[in-house]
Amino acid sequence: QSVLTQPPSVSGAPGQRVTMSCTGSSSNIGAGYDVHWYQQLPGTAPKLLIYGYFYRPSGVPDRFSGSKSGTSASLAITGLQAEDEADYYCQSYDSSLSGSVVFGGGTKLTVL
Amino acid sequence: QVQLVESGGGVVQPGGSLKLSCVASGFTFSSYGMHWVRQAPGKGLEWVAFIHYGGSDEHYADSVKGRFTISRDNSRNTLYLQMNSLRAEDTAVYYCAKDPGDRAYWYFDVWGRGTLVTVSS
Repeated sequence: QSVLTQPPSVSGAPGQRVTMSCTGSSSNIGAGYDVHWYQQLPGTAPKLLIYGYFYRPSGVPDRFSGSKSGTSASLAITGLQAEDEADYYCQSYDSSLSGSVVFGGGTKLTVL
Repeated sequence: QVQLVESGGGVVQPGGSLKLSCVASGFTFSSYGMHWVRQAPGKGLEWVAFIHYGGSDEHYADSVKGRFTISRDNSRNTLYLQMNSLRAEDTAVYYCAKDPGDRAYWYFDVWGRGTLVTVSS
């Protein structure tokens, strides 16, 4: 299982708002390491969506936003569109053992 | 535009070796740390290795430590991954990814399209 925990799937209708969570622990999110989010459209490479919990790279619509609460982070998507259907991964750094980049298992977003 | 292009994937027998390459363009390659990230078929993402901008510092996932070696040639704008003692569980698409910093910010702001490595007899 992954070090960061994400729900396997979420869904929503076009125009709706969806959120997905990313739960960590005291050795990663709780230790102060940032959370970043990636979008992977079917058959393509991942793309950076949110970095440092809240910040959007140039070109990412403001429909996508990130937040933090304790040892968890969340990604929200408003005004859901068909092209948002993808896998979403959260990622952080973990200081346990030898230290490593860690990912969540991914959340599949289905646009109904 | 900023681009990363991987090559070198293919089919290799268990216990064999393979060397992946990643050519960078559109940015000052020698100023940034670089990573390899992999994704097994139908599975999630797994970080593999990182190298400092100058090549003097390397970090590896426990799953590949002692078998894989990351390196770079800044004169050729190229990142490498030497993979030895390959196992079936190393089968994956291998992505080259850029770190936003010179040392390590530990996330990935640019990704290549990936190259598929299949370990099978």
